[in-house]
Amino acid sequence: NAGVTQTPKFQVLKTGQSMTLQCAQDMNHEYMSWYRQDPGMGLRLIHYSVGAGITDQGEVPNGYNVSRSTTEDFPLRLLSAAPSQTSVYFCASSYAGGETQYFGPGTRLLVL
Amino acid sequence: DQQVKQNSPSLSVQEGRISILNCDYTNSMFDYFLWYKKYPAEGPTFLISISSIKDKNEDGRFTVFLNKSAKHLSLHIVPSQPGDSAVYFCAASDPGNTGKLIFGQGTTLQVKP
Repeated sequence: NAGVTQTPKFQVLKTGQSMTLQCAQDMNHEYMSWYRQDPGMGLRLIHYSVGAGITDQGEVPNGYNVSRSTTEDFPLRLLSAAPSQTSVYFCASSYAGGETQYFGPGTRLLVL
Repeated sequence: DQQVKQNSPSLSVQEGRISILNCDYTNSMFDYFLWYKKYPAEGPTFLISISSIKDKNEDGRFTVFLNKSAKHLSLHIVPSQPGDSAVYFCAASDPGNTGKLIFGQGTTLQVKP
């Protein structure tokens, strides 16, 4: 099993550009989530999904969109990047909500 | 409004000694807590958890203690090793059955040889 994979590892964007951060898991987990990590802020939940076709907002959803068309994939879209979205983004999955979540290696995003 | 707080941004201990990382929470409805460990340029990895029906859970060198009345939990690492140097995050499972984890700010542990 590859576990949770994320692409790209690093990305530089200009303000106003759009991009999609990819996340995939091969553990047949129903629950998937996106976090961002900023210095002194810990991990903050952006969006999450309890299963294919179901998504909901987390603590900091503004500026981000998600969809869950399959169990395996949970992409995060930035429609118009802003410097405030410079961060490290982590995708995580678990068999069910509330259980131990397994994290991907992260995507480091720099918005200029 | 930070529901899970780790008030010590950093901790430095000598190899072989005990490391104690602390975490406080505000919501008395939290019933499941987890500790994650994170090395630079990697994703967090699960370390140990505890349910609110227990006050202690042990796994090798790692022990988590839960004091519900004080809304406080701590992670003890004995003996500390240089490889334990990492950022440690405390997390609580959202009691609303949403499956969400609420994380603290993290504590950077440095274990000196």
